[in-house]
Amino acid sequence: AQSVTQLGSHVSVSEGALVLLRCNYSSSVPPYLFWYVQYPNQGLQLLLKYTSAATLVKGINGFEAEFKKSETSFHLTKPSAHMSDAAEYFCAVTRSEKLTFGTGTRLTIIP
Amino acid sequence: DTGVSQDPRHKITKRGQNVTFRCDPISEHNRLYWYRQTLGQGPEFLTYFQNEAQLEKSRLLSDRFSAERPKGSFSTLEIQRTEQGDSAMYLCASGPQETQYFGPGTRLLVL
Repeated sequence: AQSVTQLGSHVSVSEGALVLLRCNYSSSVPPYLFWYVQYPNQGLQLLLKYTSAATLVKGINGFEAEFKKSETSFHLTKPSAHMSDAAEYFCAVTRSEKLTFGTGTRLTIIP
Repeated sequence: DTGVSQDPRHKITKRGQNVTFRCDPISEHNRLYWYRQTLGQGPEFLTYFQNEAQLEKSRLLSDRFSAERPKGSFSTLEIQRTEQGDSAMYLCASGPQETQYFGPGTRLLVL
C-alpha cells in the first residue's frame, strides 16, 4: 500500500525566508508524487508533480521539490516566502488511478 | 480552459434527506474522480470513472452513495438518507492520466 507522511502539521516562516515542507512516501515501486495547495474554502491547485523524469521538479509560484529515492522523500521548497503563500499544502502519491494524500501542512507567513 | 466546475458550492440539508452534486470536468479529460475531505484531513478517494465506466469504488462509498457519469461527460454524486457524518467537502477532479485537476468542491453540512 502506498502512503505519504507530512512532518509538521503547522509551519511558520517569516516573509522572505526559506519555505521547507516535508513529505516522505512509502511505495513498493517508484511512485508518481504531487504537491497541491489549498486556500480556505477552495479546491486543490496542482503545484508540481514528479513522474520519473527529472528528480528536481519546478512548479508554479516559485516552488520546487526534489525526489530522493534513497531517503524516500519529496520535500517542497521555496527560497523566499510571500504572504500569498499562506495556505494548506498536501503531498500525494499514486501508482494507480487514485491519489493518496498526506494529512497536510498549514503554512503561516509572519510579516 | 475553464477548469473543473462543481455545483452547488454549498449545501445545507437535514438528516435523512437526499442530496445530489454535479461535476463538470475539463472537456478533453476522460478520467473523473470524486474525493471527500473532512476538516483537518487530506482528501480521501471515493470513486473514479474512465469515460462512462465506473472502474473503482472505495469502501468509503457506502450503499447510500451512488455516482454516475452518463455519456462520459459530467458526473453526479448522490447521497441518500444523509447522516451527520456525511458533512464534508466533496471534491471532483479530472485528468488525462496520472495527473488530476480539482474543482472548487461542494461543502455539505448535514444538520
